[in-house]
Amino acid sequence: TQLLEQSPQFLSIQEGENLTVYCNSSSVFSSLQWYRQEPGEGPVLLVTVVTGGEVKKLKRLTFQFGDARKDSSLHITAAQTGDTGLYLCAVRNTGTASKLTFGTGTRLQVTL
Amino acid sequence: EPEVTQTPSHQVTQMGQEVILRCVPISNHLYFYWYRQILGQKVEFLVSFYNNEISEKSEIFDDQFSVERPDGSNFTLKIRSTKLEDSAMYFCASSETGMVANEKLFFGSGTQLSVL
Repeated sequence: TQLLEQSPQFLSIQEGENLTVYCNSSSVFSSLQWYRQEPGEGPVLLVTVVTGGEVKKLKRLTFQFGDARKDSSLHITAAQTGDTGLYLCAVRNTGTASKLTFGTGTRLQVTL
Repeated sequence: EPEVTQTPSHQVTQMGQEVILRCVPISNHLYFYWYRQILGQKVEFLVSFYNNEISEKSEIFDDQFSVERPDGSNFTLKIRSTKLEDSAMYFCASSETGMVANEKLFFGSGTQLSVL
C-alpha cells in the first residue's frame, strides 16, 4: 500500500501570494493526479502527470512530476480566494487501473 | 460536463440500522467506485465495481458492506448494521473504462451519513 504524504497539511495565505504544496512517497508511480475538493463536494480532477520531470500548467497552477516519479508539487501563483479548498494527490497501483489512492491532502485557505 | 449524482445528500440513522446510499454514475461509464471521507481525514477507497461484480475492495469494506447495480442506471452501497464509526461523507465515482492508469474519475457530491 502506497502512502502519499502531502505537505503542508494546512496553509492559510492572503490573496496575491504564491504557494507550493507537495506530494511525496517512497514508491514509483506510472502517473499521478491532482484533485481539488471544495467543501460539500467531491474531488475534481485538475491534472494528470505521466512522465518523470513533466511540468504542466493550468492557468496560475503549475504541476511538476518528480524525475524519479515518486513525488509531485503544485505551485499556485497569485492565489485567489477561489483557490480555497482541499488539494489531493492521487495514484493508482502500477499494473492496476482500478483503485485510486489519495494522499493526506493540503487544506488551503486564501483570504482577502 | 456529465455528472455523477448521489442521493440523499444527508442521511441520519440510528446505530444498528441498515442504510442504502444511491448513485447514478455517468451513463457510458463502465467502472464504478465508492469512497468515504471521515471528517478531517483523507479520502479512502472502499470498493470498485465492473461488469456487475466487485473488482477490488479495501479492508474497510467488510461483510457489513455490499454494492449492487440493481438496474441499468443506479449503483448502491448498503451498510447492513451501521456503527458510529461509519459516520462519514460517502462519495460515488465513475470512470469510462477503469483500465487506464491515468484515467479521470468523476465524483458525485457525496452523501453525508450520520450514525447516532
